[in-house]
Amino acid sequence: GESVGLHLPTLSVQEGDNSIINCAYSNSASDYFIWYKQESGKGPQFIIDIRSNMDKRQGQRVTVLLNKTVKHLSLQIAATQPGDSAVYFCSAGGTSYGKLTFGQGTILTVHP
Amino acid sequence: GAVVSQHPSWVICKSGTSVKIECRSLDFQATTMFWYRQFPKQSLMLMATSNEGSKATYEQGVEKDKFLINHASLTLSTLTVTSAHPEDSSFYICSARDPGMTSRNEQFFGPGTRLTVL
Repeated sequence: GESVGLHLPTLSVQEGDNSIINCAYSNSASDYFIWYKQESGKGPQFIIDIRSNMDKRQGQRVTVLLNKTVKHLSLQIAATQPGDSAVYFCSAGGTSYGKLTFGQGTILTVHP
Repeated sequence: GAVVSQHPSWVICKSGTSVKIECRSLDFQATTMFWYRQFPKQSLMLMATSNEGSKATYEQGVEKDKFLINHASLTLSTLTVTSAHPEDSSFYICSARDPGMTSRNEQFFGPGTRLTVL
């Protein structure tokens, strides 16, 4: 079955630094990946997604990198701000099926 | 667009009672909704997939008789925790897919429901 995990459960950075959050997945059949941000007491919010036919996708201040060879993806946040402090989850699934499997989560803390 | 709501946002109940949580897609019709449970400082664990007009599909280890799911319309799915016990206390989150987004598998999440069983 699918399992998705994260290498670092916590990450502390200074405001203005770049942040990198890593994730590994196990199911090579996964072809769609999403990063979500969850603030305390709230539901997850979509950040950025990427399909398996891409290895990089950029959004506003965020970049997702996908390495299918080693089944690894990362989320890069540029110029991290205090408002970025949250738990970040990667998820993996397929465009042809509905379920997403979520990783462990990384707690990002941004210090002013 | 693609807003999902949940009600109630929090609930406290006595052990042995049943609690119903509603999940609504506000601006789209969702043939498929998902129910997750999240314990403190842990990830989201999928409980079941709710399919409009048919039975829900439960994940392994989730008791279907304890967590009743009804998806009677294209905008509403309900999760009923029957005979709740303190160990059922958790953050319950629903999500929905917009079938109009055929190229993406993005799930839109509700704000969650905090259940505390005394």
